[in-house]
Amino acid sequence: AQSVSQHNHHVILSEAASLELGCNYSYGGTVNLFWYVQYPGQHLQLLLKYFSGDPLVKGIKGFEAEFIKSKFSFNLRKPSVQWSDTAEYFCAVNALNAGGTSYGKLTFGQGTILTVHP
Amino acid sequence: SAVISQKPSRDICQRGTSLTIQCQVDSQVTMMFWYRQQPGQSLTLIATANQGSEATYESGFVIDKFPISRPNLTFSTLTVSNMSPEDSSIYLCSVDQGIYGYTFGSGTRLTVV
Repeated sequence: AQSVSQHNHHVILSEAASLELGCNYSYGGTVNLFWYVQYPGQHLQLLLKYFSGDPLVKGIKGFEAEFIKSKFSFNLRKPSVQWSDTAEYFCAVNALNAGGTSYGKLTFGQGTILTVHP
Repeated sequence: SAVISQKPSRDICQRGTSLTIQCQVDSQVTMMFWYRQQPGQSLTLIATANQGSEATYESGFVIDKFPISRPNLTFSTLTVSNMSPEDSSIYLCSVDQGIYGYTFGSGTRLTVV
C-alpha cells in the first residue's frame, strides 16, 4: 500500500520569504500526485496536480511543484509567500495499476501547517 | 468541476446515537469516497462507494459502524453509528473528477458528547 510523508508539521515564515514543503511517497508504480490546501474554516481546495508530462507543474496562487521520480518526491514551492497563504497543506497520492487505471482512492500525508507573519 | 453539497455542516450528538451525513453531487460520478479527519490529523479514507454495489471499506473501518448508501450516481450517505467521543471528527465526501483531480465536500464537523 502506498504512503505519503510530509517533512514538516509546522512551518513559520515572514511575508515575502520563499517556501518549500517536502513530500515523499512510497509506491513502486505510477502515481498521480496532488497538493491540496485547507484555509482556516474552509474546505479542501486543489492547488495543483501532476498526472504525466512536464514534472514541473504550476498551480493556483503562484504555487508550483516538482515531481522527481527517482526521489519519489513532489515538493511544493512558492517564491514569495503572503499572509493569505496561512493554511494547512496536504500532499496526496493516487496509485495507478499496471494498466494505468486509478485505484481510486487518495492517500494523504500528515499535513503541514503554514503560518505566515505579516 | 463538480460541486458537492454536504450536510449537516456540523452537529453535536449524544454518545450511543447515530448521525447520517449526506452528500449530493451536481453531476453523475462513478465513485464517491468518504474520509475522516480527526482533530490535528490528516485525512483517512473510510470507504469507497460505488452505485449499485456494496461499499468497500478500508482497514479499521467496518460496515456496522459506518454504513454507507449509494442509491444513485449523484448521492451518498454515511452513517456514524453508536457514536462515542472518539468519533468526533470532520467527515468529508469526495469524488474523482479525472483530469480535474478530486473534489471535496465542505465537511461535517461532528462532536460527540
